[in-house]
Amino acid sequence: AQSVTQPDIHITVSEGASLELRCNYSYGATPYLFWYVQSPGQGLQLLLKYFSGDTLVQGIKGFEAEFKRSQSSFNLRKPSVHWSDAAEYFCAVGPISGTYKYIFGTGTRLKVLA
Amino acid sequence: GAGVSQSPRYKVTKRGQDVALRCDPISGHVSLYWYRQALGQGPEFLTYFNYEAQQDKSGLPNDRFSAERPEGSISTLTIQRTEQRDSAMYRCASSLGRESSPLHFGNGTRLTVT
Repeated sequence: AQSVTQPDIHITVSEGASLELRCNYSYGATPYLFWYVQSPGQGLQLLLKYFSGDTLVQGIKGFEAEFKRSQSSFNLRKPSVHWSDAAEYFCAVGPISGTYKYIFGTGTRLKVLA
Repeated sequence: GAGVSQSPRYKVTKRGQDVALRCDPISGHVSLYWYRQALGQGPEFLTYFNYEAQQDKSGLPNDRFSAERPEGSISTLTIQRTEQRDSAMYRCASSLGRESSPLHFGNGTRLTVT
């Protein structure tokens, strides 16, 4: 069955430090992969997406993600975290073949220390 | 407006009452999705519309849940005879409808059933 796993429920980093949020997926075909960010009281905002081609994709707010087929991973990275990056981050895959569903991970909550 | 608009932002209702949640998608977006997000979880698919046609309702938990999009724009998610377990954030998303189109989410409706 298709699934998305975000192994880290909470991550705390210091401002200015680098960040990597993990995402693993289970999907038979080449997936369309997404990272969304959710700030308190806000909707989910798209950070970046991968469809095909270059496996390193750039997104908004200085984020990037790398698709690694061999590891079924799509990890999100940022070289230097800002206090405003504190939020919840969701990885998603979809649409699932033959359906219209996008499957989301359970999210990683990022805390940034000043 | 520029984004997906959902109303009300908050809804508190007594068990057994019916509620209707409204979603106004981005203009021109043919695809509309309803998701439910429990605390600490990722969004969970409920249903999908392509224009006015409800093409996938496999995520609706039971027959107390229904949705419509009669003119292919605004959608309403209705929950009849609400139960406490229905308490969650209900999110609407829209997209252009192409396979690679990302979802654009509204800020959600927080439903609390007492």
